[in-house]
Amino acid sequence: DTGVSQDPRHKITKRGQNVTFRCDPISEHNRLYWYRQTLGQGPEFLTYFQNEAQLEKSRLLSDRFSAERPKGSFSTLEIQRTEQGDSAMYLCASSLHAGNTEAFFGQGTRLTVV
Amino acid sequence: DAKTTQPPSMDCAEGRAANLPCNHSTISGNEYVYWYRQIHSQGPQYIIHGLKNNETNEMASLIITEDRKSSTLILPHATLRDTAVYYCIVRVEHAGNMLTFGGGTRLMVKP
Repeated sequence: DTGVSQDPRHKITKRGQNVTFRCDPISEHNRLYWYRQTLGQGPEFLTYFQNEAQLEKSRLLSDRFSAERPKGSFSTLEIQRTEQGDSAMYLCASSLHAGNTEAFFGQGTRLTVV
Repeated sequence: DAKTTQPPSMDCAEGRAANLPCNHSTISGNEYVYWYRQIHSQGPQYIIHGLKNNETNEMASLIITEDRKSSTLILPHATLRDTAVYYCIVRVEHAGNMLTFGGGTRLMVKP
Protein backbone atom coordinates (compact mmCIF):
# COMPACT_ATOMS: atom_id res chain seq x y z
CA ASP A 1 0.00 0.00 0.00
CA THR A 2 1.45 3.32 -1.05
CA GLY A 3 -0.69 5.69 0.95
CA VAL A 4 -3.40 8.08 -0.15
CA SER A 5 -3.26 8.74 -3.87
CA GLN A 6 -4.71 11.78 -5.63
CA ASP A 7 -5.13 12.41 -9.33
CA PRO A 8 -4.31 14.62 -11.09
CA ARG A 9 -1.52 16.37 -9.20
CA HIS A 10 -2.04 19.57 -11.14
CA LYS A 11 -4.97 20.93 -13.11
CA ILE A 12 -5.26 24.17 -15.04
CA THR A 13 -8.72 25.04 -16.27
CA LYS A 14 -10.55 27.97 -17.74
CA ARG A 15 -13.13 29.80 -15.69
CA GLY A 16 -16.55 28.28 -16.14
CA GLN A 17 -15.31 24.75 -16.87
CA ASN A 18 -16.06 21.73 -14.71
CA VAL A 19 -13.28 19.73 -13.08
CA THR A 20 -13.19 16.42 -11.25
CA PHE A 21 -10.53 15.14 -8.89
CA ARG A 22 -10.05 11.60 -7.65
CA CYS A 23 -8.81 10.28 -4.33
CA ASP A 24 -7.86 6.70 -3.56
CA PRO A 25 -7.59 6.24 0.20
CA ILE A 26 -5.52 3.68 2.02
CA SER A 27 -7.31 0.38 1.64
CA GLU A 28 -9.54 -0.57 4.59
CA HIS A 29 -9.73 3.06 5.71
CA ASN A 30 -13.42 3.74 5.98
CA ARG A 31 -13.12 7.48 6.69
CA LEU A 32 -12.29 9.82 3.84
CA TYR A 33 -11.92 13.62 4.09
CA TRP A 34 -11.58 16.46 1.61
CA TYR A 35 -9.79 19.70 2.51
CA ARG A 36 -8.93 22.83 0.59
CA GLN A 37 -5.76 24.86 1.13
CA THR A 38 -5.03 28.30 -0.27
CA LEU A 39 -1.56 29.81 -0.38
CA GLY A 40 -0.17 30.62 3.06
CA GLN A 41 -3.13 29.16 4.94
CA GLY A 42 -3.72 25.90 6.73
CA PRO A 43 -6.02 23.31 5.16
CA GLU A 44 -9.77 23.88 5.60
CA PHE A 45 -12.22 21.03 6.00
CA LEU A 46 -14.74 20.55 3.18
CA THR A 47 -16.50 17.23 3.72
CA TYR A 48 -16.08 13.68 4.93
CA PHE A 49 -17.38 10.19 4.27
CA GLN A 50 -17.88 7.19 6.48
CA ASN A 51 -17.77 4.39 3.92
CA GLU A 52 -20.11 5.59 1.14
CA ALA A 53 -22.14 7.94 3.34
CA GLN A 54 -21.34 11.64 3.23
CA LEU A 55 -21.81 12.62 6.86
CA GLU A 56 -20.80 16.25 7.05
CA LYS A 57 -20.28 19.18 4.72
CA SER A 58 -18.63 22.49 5.53
CA ARG A 59 -20.26 25.79 4.67
CA LEU A 60 -17.26 26.24 2.34
CA LEU A 61 -18.75 23.56 0.11
CA SER A 62 -20.96 25.64 -2.16
CA ASP A 63 -23.62 24.22 -4.46
CA ARG A 64 -21.04 24.08 -7.23
CA PHE A 65 -19.09 21.45 -5.31
CA SER A 66 -20.13 17.82 -5.08
CA ALA A 67 -18.32 14.84 -3.64
CA GLU A 68 -19.08 11.16 -3.96
CA ARG A 69 -17.73 7.90 -2.68
CA PRO A 70 -19.97 5.42 -4.47
CA LYS A 71 -18.62 2.12 -3.23
CA GLY A 72 -16.92 3.25 -0.09
CA SER A 73 -13.50 3.11 -1.70
CA PHE A 74 -12.27 5.93 -3.96
CA SER A 75 -13.88 9.36 -3.91
CA THR A 76 -14.37 12.12 -6.45
CA LEU A 77 -14.70 15.85 -5.91
CA GLU A 78 -16.33 17.80 -8.73
CA ILE A 79 -16.39 21.56 -9.09
CA GLN A 80 -18.85 22.94 -11.60
CA ARG A 81 -18.54 26.32 -13.31
CA THR A 82 -15.14 26.98 -11.79
CA GLU A 83 -14.26 30.45 -10.57
CA GLN A 84 -10.86 32.02 -10.00
CA GLY A 85 -11.48 31.83 -6.26
CA ASP A 86 -11.54 28.04 -6.53
CA SER A 87 -7.81 28.05 -7.24
CA ALA A 88 -6.28 26.09 -4.36
CA MET A 89 -4.74 22.81 -3.32
CA TYR A 90 -7.38 20.14 -2.76
CA LEU A 91 -6.25 17.57 -0.22
CA CYS A 92 -7.72 14.17 0.52
CA ALA A 93 -7.13 12.26 3.74
CA SER A 94 -8.24 8.92 5.08
CA SER A 95 -8.33 7.29 8.49
CA LEU A 96 -9.02 3.81 9.72
CA HIS A 97 -12.20 4.43 11.68
CA ALA A 98 -13.89 6.88 13.94
CA GLY A 99 -12.17 7.70 17.14
CA ASN A 100 -8.72 8.76 18.07
CA THR A 101 -6.81 7.76 14.96
CA GLU A 102 -4.44 9.67 12.76
CA ALA A 103 -5.38 10.86 9.32
CA PHE A 104 -3.13 10.17 6.35
CA PHE A 105 -3.05 12.82 3.64
CA GLY A 106 -2.41 12.58 -0.05
CA GLN A 107 -0.15 15.00 -1.89
CA GLY A 108 -3.07 17.00 -3.14
CA THR A 109 -4.37 18.31 -6.46
CA ARG A 110 -3.35 21.86 -7.26
CA LEU A 111 -6.09 23.61 -9.20
CA THR A 112 -5.45 26.81 -11.11
CA VAL A 113 -8.44 28.56 -12.67
CA VAL A 114 -7.47 31.05 -15.36
CA ASP B 1 -12.79 22.53 19.06
CA ALA B 2 -10.54 24.78 21.11
CA LYS B 3 -8.47 27.45 19.42
CA THR B 4 -4.67 27.19 19.35
CA THR B 5 -2.02 29.90 19.19
CA GLN B 6 1.42 29.27 17.71
CA PRO B 7 4.30 31.59 16.81
CA PRO B 8 4.25 32.18 13.05
CA SER B 9 7.89 31.26 12.54
CA MET B 10 10.96 29.86 14.27
CA ASP B 11 14.53 29.06 13.36
CA CYS B 12 16.61 26.16 14.62
CA ALA B 13 20.19 25.11 14.01
CA GLU B 14 20.71 21.73 12.42
CA GLY B 15 21.43 19.06 15.02
CA ARG B 16 19.90 21.04 17.84
CA ALA B 17 16.55 20.42 19.49
CA ALA B 18 13.60 22.30 18.05
CA ASN B 19 11.00 23.24 20.66
CA LEU B 20 7.71 24.36 19.14
CA PRO B 21 5.21 25.87 21.58
CA CYS B 22 1.43 25.83 21.35
CA ASN B 23 -1.10 27.62 23.50
CA HIS B 24 -4.55 26.06 23.92
CA SER B 25 -5.88 27.75 27.02
CA THR B 26 -9.54 26.90 26.30
CA ILE B 27 -8.96 23.18 25.86
CA SER B 28 -11.61 20.98 27.42
CA GLY B 29 -11.15 17.72 29.22
CA ASN B 30 -12.00 15.47 26.29
CA GLU B 31 -9.87 17.25 23.70
CA TYR B 32 -6.64 15.76 22.45
CA VAL B 33 -3.60 17.71 21.27
CA TYR B 34 -2.42 16.70 17.80
CA TRP B 35 0.61 17.79 15.85
CA TYR B 36 0.94 17.60 12.08
CA ARG B 37 3.55 19.06 9.79
CA GLN B 38 3.48 20.02 6.15
CA ILE B 39 6.60 20.03 4.08
CA HIS B 40 6.48 22.27 1.02
CA SER B 41 4.23 20.93 -1.77
CA GLN B 42 3.18 17.88 0.23
CA GLY B 43 0.11 16.95 2.24
CA PRO B 44 0.17 17.25 6.03
CA GLN B 45 1.88 14.44 7.92
CA TYR B 46 0.85 13.19 11.35
CA ILE B 47 3.54 13.51 14.02
CA ILE B 48 2.12 12.75 17.44
CA HIS B 49 -0.86 13.27 19.72
CA GLY B 50 -1.69 13.14 23.42
CA LEU B 51 -4.36 13.82 26.01
CA LYS B 52 -2.55 14.70 29.23
CA ASN B 53 0.51 12.52 29.54
CA ASN B 54 3.74 13.29 27.74
CA GLU B 55 4.22 11.20 24.63
CA THR B 56 7.23 10.15 22.58
CA ASN B 57 7.59 8.36 19.29
CA GLU B 58 10.28 7.96 16.67
CA MET B 59 9.62 11.42 15.29
CA ALA B 60 9.15 13.66 18.30
CA SER B 61 8.15 14.19 21.91
CA LEU B 62 5.04 15.96 23.10
CA ILE B 63 5.09 17.71 26.45
CA ILE B 64 1.69 18.82 27.79
CA THR B 65 1.55 21.06 30.84
CA GLU B 66 -0.28 19.80 33.88
CA ASP B 67 -3.15 22.26 33.38
CA ARG B 68 -3.22 21.25 29.67
CA LYS B 69 -3.33 24.89 28.60
CA SER B 70 -0.18 24.59 26.55
CA SER B 71 2.12 22.04 24.97
CA THR B 72 5.51 21.80 23.32
CA LEU B 73 6.55 19.63 20.42
CA ILE B 74 10.20 18.66 20.61
CA LEU B 75 12.24 17.48 17.65
CA PRO B 76 15.35 16.26 19.48
CA HIS B 77 17.89 16.57 16.68
CA ALA B 78 16.51 18.75 13.91
CA THR B 79 17.66 18.12 10.36
CA LEU B 80 17.23 20.20 7.22
CA ARG B 81 14.40 17.85 6.21
CA ASP B 82 12.44 18.97 9.27
CA THR B 83 11.93 22.39 7.67
CA ALA B 84 8.14 22.60 7.41
CA VAL B 85 5.00 24.23 8.77
CA TYR B 86 4.00 22.61 12.06
CA TYR B 87 0.36 22.63 13.08
CA CYS B 88 -0.92 22.19 16.62
CA ILE B 89 -4.55 21.08 16.66
CA VAL B 90 -6.89 20.28 19.52
CA ARG B 91 -9.63 17.90 18.66
CA VAL B 92 -12.46 16.30 20.51
CA GLU B 93 -13.06 12.67 19.76
CA HIS B 94 -16.48 12.94 18.16
CA ALA B 95 -18.21 11.57 15.16
CA GLY B 96 -16.62 13.86 12.64
CA ASN B 97 -13.02 13.91 13.75
CA MET B 98 -12.09 16.39 11.09
CA LEU B 99 -9.01 18.51 11.75
CA THR B 100 -9.19 22.29 12.21
CA PHE B 101 -5.87 23.76 11.12
CA GLY B 102 -4.67 27.18 12.19
CA GLY B 103 -1.78 29.09 10.72
CA GLY B 104 0.92 26.87 12.19
CA THR B 105 4.58 27.62 12.86
CA ARG B 106 6.97 27.76 9.95
CA LEU B 107 10.15 26.07 11.23
CA MET B 108 13.32 26.79 9.32
CA VAL B 109 16.22 24.47 10.16
CA LYS B 110 19.49 26.12 9.20
CA PRO B 111 22.88 24.48 8.61
